[in-house]
Amino acid sequence: NAGVTQTPKFQVLKTGQSMTLQCAQDMNHNSMYWYRQDPGMGLRLIYYSASEGTTDKGEVPNGYNVSRLNKREFSLRLESAAPSQTSVYFCASSGLAEKYYEQYFGPGTRLTVT
Amino acid sequence: AQKITQTQPGMFVQEKEAVTLDCTYDTSDPSYGLFWYKQPSSGEMIFLIYQGSYDQQNATEGRYSLNFQKARKSANLVISASQLGDSAMYFCAMRVPWAGGGNKLTFGTGTQLKVEL
Repeated sequence: NAGVTQTPKFQVLKTGQSMTLQCAQDMNHNSMYWYRQDPGMGLRLIYYSASEGTTDKGEVPNGYNVSRLNKREFSLRLESAAPSQTSVYFCASSGLAEKYYEQYFGPGTRLTVT
Repeated sequence: AQKITQTQPGMFVQEKEAVTLDCTYDTSDPSYGLFWYKQPSSGEMIFLIYQGSYDQQNATEGRYSLNFQKARKSANLVISASQLGDSAMYFCAMRVPWAGGGNKLTFGTGTQLKVEL
């Protein structure tokens, strides 16, 4: 039982390049989330998916797209990376069966855009 | 809109002492929950404790307790008998149900705790 996994762990991009961050969970959770963490700002929600086949914008969606490929996988795509997207990205998942509706977090991806 | 405020950017505590990390929140939703997460320097997010808005008693989990004062909209984390391994960033977060399903989690800006000998 790996929980929430994310790939890659680290990535350096040049401005204008594109990339996809991958996330998978093996806890049979319905809901999945993408956050970014910047110094002094806590975690901010980029996109979320309440269930397979649905996605919705969070607090800071500009410059990102998401795909809920199936119940397990939720990817985040940067079409044209900008230095302002330098951040640590966390994927999380939660399920109705969880006692506290707790969100389980992946280990994070540290992205630098130069 | 939901808002979480953590007014202590940094805190110091001596080993074996107790420490309180402050958190205030604002929401108009009657059904909500409050979490505390720990983020050590390695970066992972670790769930510590949860308090639901309808829970009558304050939550406790080992050395962690949540001082929930609903009228004041505060949910302070109390760590008893601090250990060196408690040195980390601590985030308060609030859960409210999302209209489309699932739960929206709003985070505070965090408190960096340093435990000293």
